[in-house]
Amino acid sequence: AQSVTQLDSQVPVFEEAPVELRCNYSSSVSVYLFWYVQYPNQGLQLLLKYLSGSTLVKGINGFEAEFNKSQTSFHLRKPSVHISDTAEYFCAVKAGTALIFGKGTTLSVSS
Amino acid sequence: DTAVSQTPKYLVTQMGNDKSIKCEQNLGHDTMYWYKQDSKKFLKIMFSYNNKELIINETVPNRFSPKSPDKAHLNLHINSLELGDSAVYFCASSPFSTGELFFGEGSRLTVL
Repeated sequence: AQSVTQLDSQVPVFEEAPVELRCNYSSSVSVYLFWYVQYPNQGLQLLLKYLSGSTLVKGINGFEAEFNKSQTSFHLRKPSVHISDTAEYFCAVKAGTALIFGKGTTLSVSS
Repeated sequence: DTAVSQTPKYLVTQMGNDKSIKCEQNLGHDTMYWYKQDSKKFLKIMFSYNNKELIINETVPNRFSPKSPDKAHLNLHINSLELGDSAVYFCASSPFSTGELFFGEGSRLTVL
């Protein structure tokens, strides 16, 4: 069965610093992988997705992720974060007709 | 024009009551979902409908009953509410092929 593990529950960083949010997946079949962001009291918004092709995926708001099949990882990165990036980030894998989500990583950006 | 809309956004009610949450999508997607987000932010799939047909029914108490009158609407009815039902319920829709989910803003249910 497919699953995802987000390795960090909380990541505090300073503004303009780089950040990496880690996600490992478990799947016995081809994977579709996603990163979503949830701002306080809002729904989830898609940051980026990997369906096939290039392993480096670029998303919105300057985020990117790299699909690594040998390490079964799909880490999210941003070279320079802003205060406004403070939010909850979810990694997800397609499992059948639904998405299975990780437990989330709280990114806190301070000045 | 909101793509996936849920009503109400907030719901406060007493234990034992029955309540409904409505969801509508104008994206033309065939598949719709209900997810539950608990107080620790964990998101769990509850139900999925494809073109009005139930295709996912996770281990959810039978007090929860989804209804899809047409492929643009998926409502959630909850009977005999319990304290543990307090959560944020998200509706989502998807173009079946990619699996990408488009979420509504969520409905925060508080059971007192």
